[in-house]
Amino acid sequence: EAQVTQNPRYLITVTGKKLTVTCSQNMNHEYMSWYRQDPGLGLRQIYYSMNVEVTDKGDVPEGYKVSRKEKRNFPLILESPSPNQTSLYFCASSPRTGGSNQPQHFGDGTRLSIL
Amino acid sequence: GENVEQHPSTLSVQEGDSAVIKCTYSDSASNYFPWYKQELGKRPQLIIDIRSNVGEKKDQRIAVTLNKTAKHFSLHITETQPEDSAVYFCAASKGTNAGKSTFGDGTTLTVKP
Repeated sequence: EAQVTQNPRYLITVTGKKLTVTCSQNMNHEYMSWYRQDPGLGLRQIYYSMNVEVTDKGDVPEGYKVSRKEKRNFPLILESPSPNQTSLYFCASSPRTGGSNQPQHFGDGTRLSIL
Repeated sequence: GENVEQHPSTLSVQEGDSAVIKCTYSDSASNYFPWYKQELGKRPQLIIDIRSNVGEKKDQRIAVTLNKTAKHFSLHITETQPEDSAVYFCAASKGTNAGKSTFGDGTTLTVKP
């Protein structure tokens, strides 16, 4: 089954304790992206990756890191989490057919609570 | 950068009525405009999209229109059903080799039986 898998689905942690949210897709998609969703603010893009070893900042990258060492994986790293990073996070992927944008396939989301 | 504004933020209709959600964008270089539906507790899923070389696209009860001159695009749902109740997001992005996607803040649609 074609899917984007995020882990963990839920996490409660404390300020300053490094954490990683993993994202994996099995559709051989070139493009992957991370978003955070907060009430009333829609989906805001954190980072995206056009292909392996190619990453770039979205609109809200502060406090986050990403890496793209393999095509299927795109982990989101919070080196020193703070309470304002409490949010619902979505990973997404899409093909780049002909180089143009295509619909994004989203994971089921990760709900992070930073105390 | 791109700015996408979505209206209304909430919309309540009677079953069988039509619903219209409108988005405006700021960057004239944007050329891909998807709409996603997010049911409560679920992930966003694409329902329809349109590219800038097309003015209108329809899929059964759902249609999207694009006005490039005015930089706005709209989602039209006809004959609404209770299962259409969800949050709807519009988005805008540029074309080739551009990775940024900007989403609207969402519209909560409630269809009353």
